[in-house]
Amino acid sequence: GAGVSQSPRYKVTKRGQDVALRCDPISGHVSLYWYRQALGQGPEFLTYFNYEAQQDKSGLPNDRFSAERPEGSISTLTIQRTEQRDSAMYRCASSLFLAGGNNEQFFGPGTRLTVL
Amino acid sequence: GENVEQHPSTLSVQEGDSAVIKCTYSDSASNYFPWYKQELGKRPQLIIDIRSNVGEKKDQRIAVTLNKTAKHFSLHITETQPEDSAVYFCAASIENGGSQGNLIFGKGTKLSVKP
Repeated sequence: GAGVSQSPRYKVTKRGQDVALRCDPISGHVSLYWYRQALGQGPEFLTYFNYEAQQDKSGLPNDRFSAERPEGSISTLTIQRTEQRDSAMYRCASSLFLAGGNNEQFFGPGTRLTVL
Repeated sequence: GENVEQHPSTLSVQEGDSAVIKCTYSDSASNYFPWYKQELGKRPQLIIDIRSNVGEKKDQRIAVTLNKTAKHFSLHITETQPEDSAVYFCAASIENGGSQGNLIFGKGTKLSVKP
């Protein structure tokens, strides 16, 4: 079946512009996670949802970053007034939500954001 | 919050040798420890994981050990092959019911297997 998909795959924007990054999780996956991965580094947690409820947003760097998942499926990560330091690969992951089950997080291909 | 340290940052071995990557974590409440493999330009993929109720888990050439007292866990790859070359990440989280929570990743180990 289809894996996690993200769009756009590449986004180049000018400093000060807003961007919206989209994640389509695997069908039926309840949990959805957003990470940011700098080159040569491990993924850094941003936020996650179970269904439409945002469970933890402690990793969002500041209030320019927000995320939503209004219908419990597709999620959007929005960055307002982008800055050059926001440039990174933004990855989404999804998993099942089974007590005692295999809830492996499957990662998407990522969106490479470049802020000029 | 949780902090995960990973060593070494780079590792070069000859084909057929073993490779060991070590991680330490700081939060004693962490109970789920996955390892991800990331090939160049690709997404991270889970290769093995361990939970705090066991000390060791093996899957063919890959094994993971966990020492809860010392708060460290290790990845062991035996009989390495060139296709094992990649960046490996360890991670830790507090798994509760059906939720893994947020994974805290180490900085990665670049493994090179020379034929």
